[in-house]
Formats: sequence, structure tokens, C-alpha cells
Amino acid sequence: GESVGLHLPTLSVQEGDNSIINCAYSNSASDYFIWYKQESGKGPQFIIDIRSNMDKRQGQRVTVLLNKTVKHLSLQIAATQPGDSAVYFCAETSPLISNFGNEKLTFGTGTRLTIIP
Amino acid sequence: SQTIHQWPATLVQPVGSPLSLECTVEGTSNPNLYWYRQAAGRGLQLLFYSVGIGQISSEVPQNLSASRPQDRQFILSSKKLLLSDSGFYLCAWSVGRLLHEQFFGPGTRLTVL
Repeated sequence: GESVGLHLPTLSVQEGDNSIINCAYSNSASDYFIWYKQESGKGPQFIIDIRSNMDKRQGQRVTVLLNKTVKHLSLQIAATQPGDSAVYFCAETSPLISNFGNEKLTFGTGTRLTIIP
Repeated sequence: SQTIHQWPATLVQPVGSPLSLECTVEGTSNPNLYWYRQAAGRGLQLLFYSVGIGQISSEVPQNLSASRPQDRQFILSSKKLLLSDSGFYLCAWSVGRLLHEQFFGPGTRLTVL
């Protein structure tokens, strides 16, 4: 069955340094891989996605890398700021059990990123 | 711009009591709507998915039900709550085929005692 997991449950990074959050996935048929950021007590916020036919995509201060050979996904955050402290979830598209639509998102358990001032 | 609302923000209910959580979306038409549950320190589990009014799909067997009486309204219900129903409930929406880009509401923290 499909599963999305994270290598590290917590990560502490000095402010200004770069951070890398890793994720392993098992569904080779996923079309998209997505990173979400969830601050305490709030709903997840879409950060960036990458299609399965790409290996790298850049956004503002963030870069997502996809290694399909080893089924590994990473999120790099450059020059971390205190506001980057949150739980980060990776997610992948996977088939819906039910009849409507085609796919759903399967989320990993999350990595808590703490930025040290 | 699009916004999504959920209420209440927090709820404490006794075991066996009914539940009704509401989610509304503004600024978009015919959205795909989702209900997720997030247990403490865990990822999100998809509960229900809706592509239109009256079209509800359940992804996991459970004590909950969902309804979509209007295009931009999604309701999560239960007739009798269980202790295991405690969690953080999140509503989300997406449009068209961009189902992987979902936008989440602020969530409802439900504690069943």
C-alpha cells in the first residue's frame, strides 16, 4: 500500500542557516508531490509542489527536490527565519478509494522545524 | 479572493452526543471539498471528499458522515460521538483538476470526553 514517511520528526536550525527536510514515499505512480507548512493551531498552508516528471523546482527561498530512483523528496529552505518554525508535511497524490474524482492526497506524519534565534 | 471558514474553532463534547461542524468557502464556484482529521502529532487523514452538491465520498469507515447542501457548504456530522473522534478537523477546497493544490481552513479542535 502507499505510505509517505519522514526521516526526522524534529529539526532545529540556526536562524539564517539553510534547512533540509526529507521525506520518503512508496507510491511510484504519484503524479504530484507537495509540501505543506502548518503553524501551531492552524490549517496547513500549501508551499510548493513538484510534478513527477521533474526533479527540481524552486520557489521563493524554497526548493523541492525529487529523486524517483530512491523515492525521496526534500524541501530546502534558504536563510531560515523565525517565521519558518512550523510542522512541514510532505504529501503525494494517490488513488481515491471512492468513485468520485481520481486522486487524493496522502500526507506524511510531519517534521517539526524549529528556528533558533 | 477565496476564503474558507470553519466553525466552531474549538468544541468539547461528551461521548454519545451529536456533532455538527460547518465549513463554507467564498470566492470560488463548484469547488472540490474535503474533510480531514488530524490526530495529535500526526499527519492528515482524508475522511470525505465532495465534487458537487449531494456528491459525497467516504474514504475511511467511521462514525462520521458528511453532507453538502449547497455548492460552497460542507458539513461534518455524527449522531453519537466516540472518544476516538477527538482530533483536529480540517476542511479544504481545490478547484478543477488541481486537486493537489488544496487550501485549508483554520480547523476545529474537537475533544470528546
